[in-house]
Amino acid sequence: SQTIHQWPATLVQPVGSPLSLECTVEGTSNPNLYWYRQAAGRGLQLLFYSVGIGQISSEVPQNLSASRPQDRQFILSSKKLLLSDSGFYLCAWSWDPGTGSNEQFFGPGTRLTVL
Amino acid sequence: GQNIDQPTEMTATEGAIVQINCTYQTSGFNGLFWYQQHAGEAPTFLSYNVLDGLEEKGRFSSFLSRSKGYSYLLLKELQMKDSASYLCAVKDSNYQLIWGAGTKLIIKP
Repeated sequence: SQTIHQWPATLVQPVGSPLSLECTVEGTSNPNLYWYRQAAGRGLQLLFYSVGIGQISSEVPQNLSASRPQDRQFILSSKKLLLSDSGFYLCAWSWDPGTGSNEQFFGPGTRLTVL
Repeated sequence: GQNIDQPTEMTATEGAIVQINCTYQTSGFNGLFWYQQHAGEAPTFLSYNVLDGLEEKGRFSSFLSRSKGYSYLLLKELQMKDSASYLCAVKDSNYQLIWGAGTKLIIKP
């Protein structure tokens, strides 16, 4: 069966500090990978998605970046955090979204607070 | 633009039935999803509709009308553990999910 891991679970960082969130998937190969952010009481905002190693699509221009160094590893980074970067960060995976239902499966999330 | 509308919050009584509506305007349509999200947790998949009609899965059912850009999630025999947010999401012409803001469902005894 497939599992998805995210760490850390919670993070408190000062404004201007760097960020690195990691997501890994087990039990599948060549998954589509996604990074979302969810502000308190709001819906999911797609930040980045990836269809393969080194292939990253950005949905929202901002001070965040993503990388996919390995097939089942997805990393979200920032060089300098802003207060507005606070939120609940979710990593998700799916099979090829063009076929069938292909629901997205979510990791447990990272709650980031920027002070 | 793309838009998905859901009520912000609903309240229902334990044991009762509740219907959560979702209307959408998207660039293309390749299916509609409902997810459940408990506070502080990740969303979990509930249902998927791509054709018009009703899909039933235990106490939960989901309905779709593509011509009306409308879906609803029906929860029967409500239990306290059903207190959560319910997210509606549409897969657009690029096969990306467009998410609604979610409906917070409060169950009272």
